[in-house]
Amino acid sequence: SYVLTQPPSVSVAPGKTARITCGGNNVGAKSVHWYQQKPGQAPVLVLYYDDHRPSGIPERFSGSNSGNTATLTISRVEAGDEAHYYCQVWDSSSDHWVFGGGTKLTVL
Amino acid sequence: QVQLVQSGAEVKKPGASVKVSCRASGDTFSDYYIHWVRQAPGQGLEWMGWINPKSGDTNYAQNFQGRVTMIRETSISTVYMEMSRLRSDDTAVYYCTRVALLRFADYGMDVWGQGTTVIVSS
Repeated sequence: SYVLTQPPSVSVAPGKTARITCGGNNVGAKSVHWYQQKPGQAPVLVLYYDDHRPSGIPERFSGSNSGNTATLTISRVEAGDEAHYYCQVWDSSSDHWVFGGGTKLTVL
Repeated sequence: QVQLVQSGAEVKKPGASVKVSCRASGDTFSDYYIHWVRQAPGQGLEWMGWINPKSGDTNYAQNFQGRVTMIRETSISTVYMEMSRLRSDDTAVYYCTRVALLRFADYGMDVWGQGTTVIVSS
């Protein structure tokens, strides 16, 4: 089955740029979606189709996807961005959806 | 306002079954797959499967085949997820969420239910 690999944790100072990676075999050929989840809350879609922001998501959130790595970039990080972030794809070979293991973003 | 509203928390004994509901409002029920995702305490998100409310077709993750059933009741825009032969490691928050039927791979899960806590304990 298809596997997505994320770093368990990323730390960043306020105002700096955070980058969270999502690795998978030829993931650049798939549409990657990203979710933010804060404690006790349901996940929220922050990027879809690699780099598209749903309504209401700040422009500070951007994405890229090429080769074996997709990246979520958060510019000018704020304390409120502290959360777990999950990447996700649809795997056509199994017709199943897959989540990465999640990355805890800590704002120092 | 588009919403998915789930049923309340459940406490079950090992070996029992649980049925969680997810009611959609504010949008066309049959235009979206309804997926179920669970999250064990302190763990990540685990995809369980989907149901197409229009056709009733389902697709379950390997880990849940034979133990999970998803059905829909279109007259009340509600989907149900039933899990049987519960074990202690099924203790988790269960979420329903939706994905557009058209170009489903490209749009992600844009609306989520509030989650239903299921505790399996003797």
